[in-house]
Amino acid sequence: NAGVTQTPKFQVLKTGQSMTLQCAQDMNHEYMSWYRQDPGMGLRLIHYSVGAGITDQGEVPNGYNVSRSTTEDFPLRLLSAAPSQTSVYFCASKERTEDQPQHFGDGTRLSIL
Amino acid sequence: GQQLNQSPQSMFIQEGEDVSMNCTSSSIFNTWLWYKQDPGEGPVLLIALYKAGELTSNGRLTAQFGITRKDSFLNISASIPSDVGIYFCAGPVDGTASKLTFGTGTRLQVTL
Repeated sequence: NAGVTQTPKFQVLKTGQSMTLQCAQDMNHEYMSWYRQDPGMGLRLIHYSVGAGITDQGEVPNGYNVSRSTTEDFPLRLLSAAPSQTSVYFCASKERTEDQPQHFGDGTRLSIL
Repeated sequence: GQQLNQSPQSMFIQEGEDVSMNCTSSSIFNTWLWYKQDPGEGPVLLIALYKAGELTSNGRLTAQFGITRKDSFLNISASIPSDVGIYFCAGPVDGTASKLTFGTGTRLQVTL
């Protein structure tokens, strides 16, 4: 099983550029989430989705958009990249059942110059 | 929002030693999760706790859900080099399993 696949693994952008981080899961999970991880901090929730067509904001949503047109994919869009968005981004998916864990991808390392 | 405080921030131990770390919250959680993150990878779930007072083991790892529901502990016995990594506690935001809040992590280094 591929699990949760994130692309690209690394990216460098200039301030003001836009970009989409891709996330795909092949486990038919209903829940998907995006987190960012900064040095010395835990993961912080950006946006999440409880099913196709449904998205909601997390703790740090500003500057990011998401959509969930299919169960498998949950792309994260940076509309106008800023240096403060330099981070490692993780996508996760989860079954709806309460006691099932979140499965994380290996991350996208994004640098904004 | 809900905050999770982990301690210690980092630990340097010798192979074979036992390790203890904890996580405290300003509010009550109904679930506590412990994750490990290896360099260059995403977090992987180690142990999940669903009931106050619960003590759960996974090999050399043991975790406990505090009675107050505001803390949790993770112990690693007889550490080995592959235990190196960052350990995070996490819990559901507002009791919602689809949203997690994470602690700041405990970085573990194991020397031979």
